[in-house]
This record gives sequence, structure tokens and C-alpha cells, in this order.
Amino acid sequence: NAGVTQTPKFQVLKTGQSMTLQCAQDMNHEYMSWYRQDPGMGLRLIHYSVGAGITDQGEVPNGYNVSRSTTEDFPLRLLSAAPSQTSVYFCASRSGTSGQETQYFGPGTRLLVL
Amino acid sequence: DAKTTQPPSMDCAEGRAANLPCNHSTISGNEYVYWYRQIHSQGPQYIIHGLKNNETNEMASLIITEDRKSSTLILPHATLRDTAVYYCIVRVALTSNTGKLIFGQGTTLQVKP
Repeated sequence: NAGVTQTPKFQVLKTGQSMTLQCAQDMNHEYMSWYRQDPGMGLRLIHYSVGAGITDQGEVPNGYNVSRSTTEDFPLRLLSAAPSQTSVYFCASRSGTSGQETQYFGPGTRLLVL
Repeated sequence: DAKTTQPPSMDCAEGRAANLPCNHSTISGNEYVYWYRQIHSQGPQYIIHGLKNNETNEMASLIITEDRKSSTLILPHATLRDTAVYYCIVRVALTSNTGKLIFGQGTTLQVKP
């Protein structure tokens, strides 16, 4: 199993540009989520999905869109990039039984918005 | 949301046990305590979790006090590769069958030769 994969690893954007961060998992996990991590900080939840066709907002959803058309993929879209979105983005998927949160994280995408 | 409090940093000698404390005094009866670690900007890695009983796996042991207001993660024989930021997390229920993890600042553990 490849686990959770994320592309690209690095990206530089100009203010106002849009882009999509890709996330895929091959573990048949129902639950997937996106986090961002700013320097010296913990992770903050952006959006999450409990299954194909179902998404919901986390703590910091503004400026981001998600969709979940398949179990495997959970892309994160930046609609109009801003310098405040410079961060490292982690995608995660969950295994385990209901009520538990043993999550597997991807390697991250490092985004710089100029 | 139940919050956790951890010391910002700790040192440990290689080969010795590392004991990482965490306070979660507002935890409710059905909330689990999770521990993750993050090695040098990699994605966080799951270590262990528990509800009220002590737990052990191949990576670590988790000791939860009887009143569940605090817990301790124990790495029995720390190695240099255990140098990382360790996060103690209380899962926040979103629905009856899913929840979210709220990451705080964590404890930076430095294992020294």
C-alpha cells in the first residue's frame, strides 16, 4: 500500500492564483481530512469528509473548497490564493472503528503564496 | 472542547525512558486520549490511544490516571530517532460515529546521546 499520497510536494503561487492540492489513499478509508500547519504551530483542521459525497467544514475553512467524488481522492482547492495561506498542508485518512481516530497522514504539501 | 496542556520541551538521554506528561482536566467520560508525534516536518504519526485503561503497543505505553485528568506517554528506551514533537490530543466528537483531532503545541522531545 502507498498509504496517503499528496501532490505536489512544493508549490509557489502568486496572490490571486488558484490551485488544487491532491490527496489520495489506497486503504479504503471512509474518513479523510485536510489540515494546515503554520510555522511553530500545531495542525488546524480545514475540511473533512466522512465518505464519498459528504464533506464538512473544520476550524479554518475560509478560502478553501473540497469535494469527495470517490473514496480514494480528496482534493483541496484554493480559490484565490492569499499570503496568509502560506503553510504546510497535510491530508489524512482514518482507520479503525467508529468513535476512534487512528489517522494516517500524508507527507505534506509546502505552499508559498507571494 | 476538552483541551490539553503539555510542557513545551523535554530532554531525555538515549536509552533511558522518556515520560511525557499531559493534562486534560476537562475531558469527558467518553473522550479518548490520543498521542501522535511529528518528526521534522513530516506528517504526524499515530502512537497510541486510550480511554481509561493503561495501554501498551510496540511503540509506547500510555498511563491514564484514575480520574482521567492526566496521562503520561512512556517511550521505554528512547533513541535519537525518537526526537520529535509529541502531541497529546483529546478527540472531539463531531457526530455519533466520527470526531476530529485538535492539535495543540505539543512537547518537543530532544533525545541526547
